[in-house]
Amino acid sequence: EVQLVQSGTEVKKPGESLKISCKGSGYRFSSYWIGWVRQMPGKGLEWMGIIYPGDSDTRYSPSFQGQVTISADNSVSTAYLQWGSLKASDTAIYYCARLTSGSHSPQEYWGRGTLVTVSS
Amino acid sequence: QSVLTQPPSVSGAPGHRVTISCTGSSSNIGAGHDVHWYQQLPGTAPKLLIYVNTNRPSGVPDRFSASKSGTSASLAIAGLQAEDEADYYCQSYDSSLNDVVFGGGTKLTVL
Repeated sequence: EVQLVQSGTEVKKPGESLKISCKGSGYRFSSYWIGWVRQMPGKGLEWMGIIYPGDSDTRYSPSFQGQVTISADNSVSTAYLQWGSLKASDTAIYYCARLTSGSHSPQEYWGRGTLVTVSS
Repeated sequence: QSVLTQPPSVSGAPGHRVTISCTGSSSNIGAGHDVHWYQQLPGTAPKLLIYVNTNRPSGVPDRFSASKSGTSASLAIAGLQAEDEADYYCQSYDSSLNDVVFGGGTKLTVL
């Protein structure tokens, strides 16, 4: 069974750094793109970017380029999303999702989401 | 403002049929890029409902169907049930933006 298990809720202050995780199981982690999606409170879904763990090919949405870093570690079947300096506007739920095949393919399996709250 | 435009809300009575539109442009849906649909039940992660324009993943009831024409796509839900009450999102790729884009989402209320 394919599963994506995300790290737990985070409460941070503006300016702090953060790295959240998404651990895949039940499939060959290196062979499928993993994407990250943001959902701000009461708002819709926003595409952030994707990574192919097999070769670390990473592609960012222009809206998020330079704002976050997506990475992956095949040895622990885990993808990461990180911030160097959080802002209050980063408060959101962040979902990871496994794509079905290519980089533009749909997101077939989803994690439950990580709630990130940034507040002073 | 989303690149793909969806109505903010739709509603229908149990047993009835509703449709949700997703209007794009010549750089996304009109360019031939595939459209996918997601269902997000309250307080849960999104779920893939329709992929590559018209296909249902295993386990999705055939009450859900979708179509695509020109620069638009639509999702139809027949035989509405209370459990269908959720937010629905369309998704495609935009060649001009070089970005995957979501519609703004549509809240379905089952009356």
